[in-house]
Amino acid sequence: QSVLTQPPSASGTPGQRVTMSCSGRTSNIGRNYVYWYQQLPGTAPKVLIQKSSQRPSGVPDRFSASKSGTSASLVIGGLRSEDEADYYCAAWDDSLSEYVFGTGTRVTVL
Amino acid sequence: HLAQSGAEVKKPGASVRVSCKASGYSFNDYYIHWVRQAPGQGLEWMGWINPNNGGTKYAQKFQGRVTLTRDTSITTAFLDVTRLTSADSAIYFCAKEDQPYLYYYGMDVWGQGTTVIVS
Repeated sequence: QSVLTQPPSASGTPGQRVTMSCSGRTSNIGRNYVYWYQQLPGTAPKVLIQKSSQRPSGVPDRFSASKSGTSASLVIGGLRSEDEADYYCAAWDDSLSEYVFGTGTRVTVL
Repeated sequence: HLAQSGAEVKKPGASVRVSCKASGYSFNDYYIHWVRQAPGQGLEWMGWINPNNGGTKYAQKFQGRVTLTRDTSITTAFLDVTRLTSADSAIYFCAKEDQPYLYYYGMDVWGQGTTVIVS
């Protein structure tokens, strides 16, 4: 059972703004950085956001993220067809001494 | 870059070894994480290994059945899973820790994944 909770799905038309949430606890999101991973169909996950809000080089600036308290959110600023994928949040959990992933959000481009 | 070994098909009760060959960075300086994904399911963290000294940490769920090792001479990490059941059928990924000498940030480079089928 995943420790971090995400909505199972999100959708939008091309160009729309899509937001997805990630809810956790003090022991994980509250105390540690959140990473976001994008998993395109049939491929390995790829890091999308590092250290809660930093985009690695090569990640389009339409992706942004933030963290507040025990929650985090990822925003796709202008949805494109190639953004159709599963998105996972993740963080280290100090209480469990384990790395925990969110349940994942599947983004569909209508 | 992380390059993983090929797909495996195993019988229930058997063991499997997956390898993860690292290149393009200082292998000893970054922890390696292992993550698995069952068919149609999410990502599940299994544990990490410190390549510098071989220290390991396992998720409680996998304690006693999973062993992480490394061979620094060939910059390769290994995942061994014993007493396989059908529930272990999954894609297994290795991933490099983002920050040197630490294990609690996140993963910045992933292997391509290794499919293990237990049947």
